[in-house]
Amino acid sequence: DAGITQSPRYKITETGRQVTLMCHQTWSHSYMFWYRQDLGHGLRLIYYSAAADITDKGEVPDGYVVSRSKTENFPLTLESATRSQTSVYFCASSEWTGWVKFFGPGTRLTVL
Amino acid sequence: KNEVEQSPQNLTAQEGEFITINCSYSVGISALHWLQQHPGGGIVSLFMLSSGKKKHGRLIATINIQEKHSSLHITASHPRDSAVYICAVPLRDNTDKLIFGTGTRLQVFP
Repeated sequence: DAGITQSPRYKITETGRQVTLMCHQTWSHSYMFWYRQDLGHGLRLIYYSAAADITDKGEVPDGYVVSRSKTENFPLTLESATRSQTSVYFCASSEWTGWVKFFGPGTRLTVL
Repeated sequence: KNEVEQSPQNLTAQEGEFITINCSYSVGISALHWLQQHPGGGIVSLFMLSSGKKKHGRLIATINIQEKHSSLHITASHPRDSAVYICAVPLRDNTDKLIFGTGTRLQVFP
C-alpha cells in the first residue's frame, strides 16, 4: 500500500537503552522529516533529510541520530534514551522543501 | 514571543456554526500551512497558501501577508470537524524547516 508508515506504533523502554524508530514511505519523496510532539509545544523538528545520504539538524537534535541510506527509509535512533525523550514522534515526507505534506501515524514512546 | 501564535487555544461550537481559527506569525514567509490533527493523532495537511484565499469543501483559508495573519474558517461545522488545527510557517532563513503553532482544539457538539 502506498503511504508512509512508522514502526513501532507504541514503545516503552528504559533510561539508557538504545531505541530505533522506523519510517518508510512509498512515494520516493525527496524530503523526509522527524518531529516530536509534546504537550504545550508545537511539532518540533528533530532532523530532516533532503535526499539519500543527506541529513541536517532541526530544532531539537540532541540525543538523536538519523541515517538515510535509501530514499524510502529514514530511521531515528535514540542512542541512550532519557525520560525527556518521552514523546509522540511523527515522520513526514514531501516532494519539495518548505512543505510537509504527508505524515506518518506517529510512534508513542515512553522512557521509564 | 512565539514566532507562530494561534487563537483561540480551545474552541467549542454547536453543529452548524461558522468557525474561525486565527494564526499570527512574526517572521517573513513565503507560504503558510494549515494542518488538521485528528483525535486519534493522525495529521493531515489541509492547505498551503501564499496569498489570498483557498477553499476546499467547507474549509476556507485566507492569508494577509502584510498583516502576517491567516485565518481558517469552517462553514456549517459538523462533529467530525472536531480536531486540533495547526498552522505552520517556514523559517525565514531556512525554508526546509517549519515552525508550528501549538494548535487550536476544536470540539463541535451535535
